[in-house]
Amino acid sequence: NAGVTQTPKFQVLKTGQSMTLQCAQDMNHEYMSWYRQDPGMGLRLIHYSVGAGITDQGEVPNGYNVSRSTTEDFPLRLLSAAPSQTSVYFCASSWGGPNTGELFFGEGSRLTVL
Amino acid sequence: GQQLNQSPQSMFIQEGEDVSMNCTSSSIFNTWLWYKQDPGEGPVLLIALYKAGELTSNGRLTAQFGITRKDSFLNISASIPSDVGIYFCAGHAYSGAGSYQLTFGKGTKLSVIP
Repeated sequence: NAGVTQTPKFQVLKTGQSMTLQCAQDMNHEYMSWYRQDPGMGLRLIHYSVGAGITDQGEVPNGYNVSRSTTEDFPLRLLSAAPSQTSVYFCASSWGGPNTGELFFGEGSRLTVL
Repeated sequence: GQQLNQSPQSMFIQEGEDVSMNCTSSSIFNTWLWYKQDPGEGPVLLIALYKAGELTSNGRLTAQFGITRKDSFLNISASIPSDVGIYFCAGHAYSGAGSYQLTFGKGTKLSVIP
């Protein structure tokens, strides 16, 4: 029962470095998404995908790229990390696509940008 | 965009007490959802509400979808130490042009004193 798996769980970057946060789900969900969680800000949507080959922007997409080559994987790329991207990142998937708010979340990836 | 006002922001209660938290919005939602986030983990769906006026229970948890479709509350009865965490409300609605929007509240941090 893996569900949604995120790696790495912790990462420290220097400003300007790039990295990829990995997300994989084994529930055959078409819908996948990335959120960031900041103190006092709740969960904010970065990017989402309704199926392989289809991605779209959420509320806070700047500085992030995504791709969806398979149903299972939805990596999030930071091209040039900035201190403002210090946050906890959550990947989430859904059986019902964007038509439902019922999400399965991963355990999170805590990113610190120095 | 749509915003949710979740209150209280935090609360400290004695074990055994009942807890009540709520979310309000100026916008109408088709679905209200409540998630719980344990420390260091991702949010987990507790309850989903689909109809105005709906009252749903999940063990010691009870949630209601407000008649106006602009609010929801969550009650926890006879709190126990494992109830500690952050509780998020979320509203889901059709946003036009075949798109849906899921909006999260900023969370209620619950602490239980044994």
